Amino acid sequence: GAVVSQHPSRVICKSGTSVKIECRSLDFQATTMFWYRQFPKQSLMLMATSNEGSKATYEQGVEKDKFLINHASLTLSTLTVTSAHPEDSSFYICSARDKRGPYEQYFGPGTRLTVT
Amino acid sequence: AQTVTQSQPEMSVQEAETVTLSCTYDTSESNYYLFWYKQPPSRQMILVIRQEAYKQQNATENRFSVNFQKAAKSFSLKISDSQLGDTAMYFCAFMNRDDKIIFGKGTRLHILP
Repeated sequence: GAVVSQHPSRVICKSGTSVKIECRSLDFQATTMFWYRQFPKQSLMLMATSNEGSKATYEQGVEKDKFLINHASLTLSTLTVTSAHPEDSSFYICSARDKRGPYEQYFGPGTRLTVT
Repeated sequence: AQTVTQSQPEMSVQEAETVTLSCTYDTSESNYYLFWYKQPPSRQMILVIRQEAYKQQNATENRFSVNFQKAAKSFSLKISDSQLGDTAMYFCAFMNRDDKIIFGKGTRLHILP
């Protein structure tokens, strides 16, 4: 089956630093990848949509200068949290849409970010 | 705005029983997809079942089935012969024409031995 990986699975960084999270589709090409944020005991909230070779589109209320998204290839999207603050601590999940399928999206295992 | 509502924050059932999780949604679109996802403690999102809105027949995957009522915008999940491994958070989700998935707030399901 289709597999999506995320790296790192956990990261701790200091306030004010930047951290990059990678999302890779391992055995399929993804024209579109999505980034979600999940706070403890809450649902997933879509942050942005990432299309290969074009700028990401952000959901209302998401700071695009804080959450930089790059989708450089059909198998890799990155989310960079810039100048991280403790309130950015959360669980970040990506999903990738298979180029071949009409609707199927596959989710990565998530990245837990802790900002101290 | 498109919304997904899950009215049961938490449920508990005995092992081997049948349980139904409720979900309603709101959209003005006529063609869309609906999903139920399971999120165990590992937090990996697992697709349980999907339903295409243009299909009248309810989707079934082994012990999991849905009751899809398009006019009522209702999409409930039935788990038959529940197992301890079914304990997880369950999210009802709607995918719009832009492929964006909108999740409900989730139902935490406990299967009791």
